[in-house]
Amino acid sequence: SYVLTQAPSVSVAPGKTARITCGGDNIGSQNVHWYQHKPGQAPVLVMSYDSGRASGIPERFSGSNSGNTATLTISRVEAGDEADYYCQLWDPATGVFGGGTRLTVL
Amino acid sequence: VQLVQSGGEVKKPGQSLRISCQGSGYTFSDYWINWVRQLPGKGLEWVGHIDPRSTFTTYNPSLQGHVSVSVDESLNTAYLQWSSLRASDTGIYFCARQEGGLDGLDFWGQGTLVTVSS
Repeated sequence: SYVLTQAPSVSVAPGKTARITCGGDNIGSQNVHWYQHKPGQAPVLVMSYDSGRASGIPERFSGSNSGNTATLTISRVEAGDEADYYCQLWDPATGVFGGGTRLTVL
Repeated sequence: VQLVQSGGEVKKPGQSLRISCQGSGYTFSDYWINWVRQLPGKGLEWVGHIDPRSTFTTYNPSLQGHVSVSVDESLNTAYLQWSSLRASDTGIYFCARQEGGLDGLDFWGQGTLVTVSS
């Protein structure tokens, strides 16, 4: 089965740029979705099909996908962006999530 | 759009359980319903999904045969069911809708905490 690899944690100062990566074999040929999950809340879709911002998601969030790495980029990071972020794709009809990356805003 | 899940459950190993997810504010049959779980201290894990129109289901291979997903279109409700719970099933279970085969999960329920303990 397809494996998605994420770094366990990323830390960034407010106002800086956070890059959260998702590694997989030739992931650039896949459609990757990204979710934000805060404790005690339901996950929220932030990015669909690699680079399409979901409804209501600020322009500070962007996505890319090429080769063996998909990336979620958060510019001008705010305290409210602190959360776990998960990448996800379909392989081909089975859902696969990455292990998640905890974004800490310093 | 709302996906409202049933309340938390406490069960013993070997018992059966069915939890629910009721959709409103959209045409229920137009969206697949997915189930995603989060075990204690772990990340999100896809459980399975169902097409309400055809009742076609797909499961995570690691959970195939242990859980089942069903739907009652007349009630706009999807279900996740176990016939024999294990302690390792303890976790939060989310439902989420998906418009098409490769689409993301664009709206999620609030989650149902399932606790299995003797």
